[in-house]
Amino acid sequence: DAKTTQPNSMESNEEEPVHLPCNHSTISGTDYIHWYRQLPSQGPEYVIHGLTSNVNNRMASLAIAEDRKSSTLILHRATLRDAAVYYCISIKDSARQLTFGSGTQLTVLP
Amino acid sequence: DAGVTQSPTHLIKTRGQQVTLRCSPKSGHDTVSWYQQALGQGPQFIFQYYEEEERQRGNFPDRFSGHQFPNYSSELNVNALLLGDSALYLCASSVFGEPWSGANVLTFGAGSRLTVL
Repeated sequence: DAKTTQPNSMESNEEEPVHLPCNHSTISGTDYIHWYRQLPSQGPEYVIHGLTSNVNNRMASLAIAEDRKSSTLILHRATLRDAAVYYCISIKDSARQLTFGSGTQLTVLP
Repeated sequence: DAGVTQSPTHLIKTRGQQVTLRCSPKSGHDTVSWYQQALGQGPQFIFQYYEEEERQRGNFPDRFSGHQFPNYSSELNVNALLLGDSALYLCASSVFGEPWSGANVLTFGAGSRLTVL
């Protein structure tokens, strides 16, 4: 799986949009980009995934760069419940495992 | 709809002992994966089970073994416990699909916190 690079931590104000960046410069053409988040004392939770096109769901949006070497997870209006560690994962199409990095600790300020 | 359930939630063992952790997958899911998460780190893949067989294994010693039952539930066994085995053990379930796709989404349980003294 392609190595991903994320900032260790980010802060956001409540009810403002949050853009969480991820670099995956060694990604290959069939690798998917997944985002999971982990709230305190819980297991990781699926957020969104994509391959080439931007994706939207009820939780977030995923913007994928045209060259696919980076992506951005967008939380449109952060709430206190969005405070978590966010993991960006690049996974080969045939891979059966998620390779987690250190993730980004998101702090949401009231 | 119950998600992934794991038991026990917490347990304490001593070095050299053996432990069994249990997992019931989300309804409709037939594949179970196990992950180990040390404090302050991201989860690491241990292995995946489908149709009662180990389908893929991560970089873990043979002290870590598993089993999947006909009802898709699973157990993780760790023998000869070491202090370094102290961690949160996460179970994740999914629908297999053939062939396995990188688009497959995992549903994780809350984990079993193992402390080895």
